Amino acid sequence: AQKVTQAQTEISVVEKEDVTLDCVYETRDTTYYLFWYKQPPSGELVFLIRRNSFDEQNEISGRYSWNFQKSTSSFNFTITASQVVDSAVYFCALLGPGSSNTGKLIFGQGTTLQVKP
Amino acid sequence: NAGVTQTPKFQVLKTGQSMTLQCAQDMNHEYMSWYRQDPGMGLRLIHYSVGAGITDQGEVPNGYNVSRSTTEDFPLRLLSAAPSQTSVYFCASSFSGRTRDEQFFGPGTRLTVL
Repeated sequence: AQKVTQAQTEISVVEKEDVTLDCVYETRDTTYYLFWYKQPPSGELVFLIRRNSFDEQNEISGRYSWNFQKSTSSFNFTITASQVVDSAVYFCALLGPGSSNTGKLIFGQGTTLQVKP
Repeated sequence: NAGVTQTPKFQVLKTGQSMTLQCAQDMNHEYMSWYRQDPGMGLRLIHYSVGAGITDQGEVPNGYNVSRSTTEDFPLRLLSAAPSQTSVYFCASSFSGRTRDEQFFGPGTRLTVL
C-alpha cells in the first residue's frame, strides 16, 4: 500500500526562523515521484517541487530546500528565514506506478504553517 | 493558456439537489482527474480519465458521476447532494497521468451542502 504521512498538523514560527516540514512515505514501487504543494489562504494548489526516486540529491531553490532520503523514506522540506507570506498549508504527495497509471497522487494530511511577524 | 479552469468557485446546495462542477483544460492533456479536499485528510481521488470516452473510479467515487466526451472537459456530477459532500473540489490534468508527468490543478470549487 502507498501512504504519505505528515505528522505535524500545525507549526507556528516567528518570522525569520527556519522551519522544517516532515514527510514520510510508504511504497513498494522502485520508481516513484514525490511532490510538495503549497496551498495559501486563497485556496489554490501551488506546485513547489517534483523529485523522482532515482535522484537523491538535495535541492535548493532560494529559501526553500528539500532533503530526500530513501533510507528513511523521507522527503522533508525546509524554509530558511521564514516570512509571513510562507503561511499556508503544505502538502507532500506520492505518485508511483503502483497507482496503475491512474495518475493518482497520494497526499499527506497537510501541515499548516503559520509565520508570525 | 488558461491552464485548468473550474466553475463555479463557490456553490451552496440543499440536500437532494443535483449539480455539475465544470472543469476544462486547454493544454491538450489526456489525463484528467477530480479530487476532494477535507480537513485533516489531504486530497483524495474521486474519478479520473485517461482520455476521451474513458473514465474510472478513484478512492472515493460514491455519489459522483463523470463523463469525458472531449479531451478538454471533464465535468463532475452530483446526482443527489448530501451534507457529506461538503468539500473543496479540485480538478487536475497532466499529459498522460504517468509518473513523469506534472499534474496541474485548477483553482478549486468550494461546495456546501445544507
